Order: sequence, then C-alpha cells, then structure tokens
Amino acid sequence: ETGVTQSPTHLIKTRGQQVTLRCSSQSGHNTVSWYQQALGQGPQFIFQYYREEENGRGNFPPRFSGLQFPNYSSELNVNALELDDSALYLCASSESSGVSYEQYFGPGTRLTVT
Amino acid sequence: AQSVSQHNHHVILSEAASLELGCNYSYGGTVNLFWYVQYPGQHLQLLLKYFSGDPLVKGIKGFEAEFIKSKFSFNLRKPSVQWSDTAEYFCAVKRQTGANNLFFGTGTRLTVIP
Repeated sequence: ETGVTQSPTHLIKTRGQQVTLRCSSQSGHNTVSWYQQALGQGPQFIFQYYREEENGRGNFPPRFSGLQFPNYSSELNVNALELDDSALYLCASSESSGVSYEQYFGPGTRLTVT
Repeated sequence: AQSVSQHNHHVILSEAASLELGCNYSYGGTVNLFWYVQYPGQHLQLLLKYFSGDPLVKGIKGFEAEFIKSKFSFNLRKPSVQWSDTAEYFCAVKRQTGANNLFFGTGTRLTVIP
C-alpha cells in the first residue's frame, strides 16, 4: 500500500448537490493530482496542485475545483453534480511536480450520483 | 490530442501461458511511459516505467515492456502468467514538456484461469 489515503470510501449524492472529497498525500510529497475513473475507462486527469497552487488542469468544467493545504493534503470539490459525475475519484501524490517523479495512488473514493 | 490506446479489452489466459498486452500512444514528442496494475479491490500500483536508455525495461513480478519509438508502442509482456496476475492493466504516458499529468489508456482486464 502507498501512504496516500482518501476519504470517504464511498459516497452517494443527488443530482445538483455539491461534494467534497479529501486526500492525504504520502509523507514528504508536495504534489497532488486528481483523476476521474469512470466505469470501464482509464483514469482521466482533473488537475494537479503543487505547493498549494493549481499546476495544470485537464478538460473538466469549472464546477470541478480543488484546494491544497499547507500540509499538502488536498480537497476536490464538485458543484452541481450530474449523473455522469458518477465515478471513482483517484488522488495521487508525488515528491515534486517534475516529470520524473513517480505518482503514488490512493484507493479512491467511489461517488454515485442519483 | 494526446491519446493512449489499449486494443485488448479483456484477455483470458491459462496459467503458464505467455502474455503480451498492446499499448500505443499518439504524442509525437518525448514521453515517459508507464504500466500500472490494479488488482481487485486494490489501488493502482506501478509495474514498470520507461524514461530513457535501454528500451527494454523490467518491472516487478516478472513483467517487462519494450518501447519501440518508431511504432509509438510500449507493449507489456510476461513469459508465464500466474493466477495472481488477474487484474486490470493500464498503460500511461507522460509528456516531458507541458502539463505534468498521466494520460491513461482504457485498460485491459486480464483473467488467468488456474
């Protein structure tokens, strides 16, 4: 297992609601990336945070937002939930934002939107 | 646009059979290449990675992959699979310039029959 933890494990929300997912990075890691993995698909990059600043973003609408805290833990917030937001949300941490740094994944949060 | 293709969606093999999973990517620049594995109920784990040098890379659990630049391919191989190799396998690409995120393929589910 990696040292990356995510909470909650599972979550059920209703369309239109808002959700916050949390990630604690591995000790010594200052970079956190978030991915969305829909059923039967590979993970898709949402955004990355490096030292509390957004450091890159994938093709996701602004209702997907995030934060990184001074201890490098991170939150993913999704507003106005849609049915298609149902997915496994993965957090990955790395020692730095450089391309050569390996990303270590957490177990994910399974979000179901009804 | 960056894309990663895994042509085999589901592969079923008997124990001791040889394995080869295909992966092709579309980005023309310099890339780093990865194979991740997701065992049932577990988080994504790195099997192996290629950054530079010898195009034949060896990973954990007897897996290896060969980078063929002219074919934009990074196929995963194992000479003799075991029942414990049953899992989902993801190929991923990271560009050496630009956004520091992984682009994943859709995954290949491997089922090994004892």
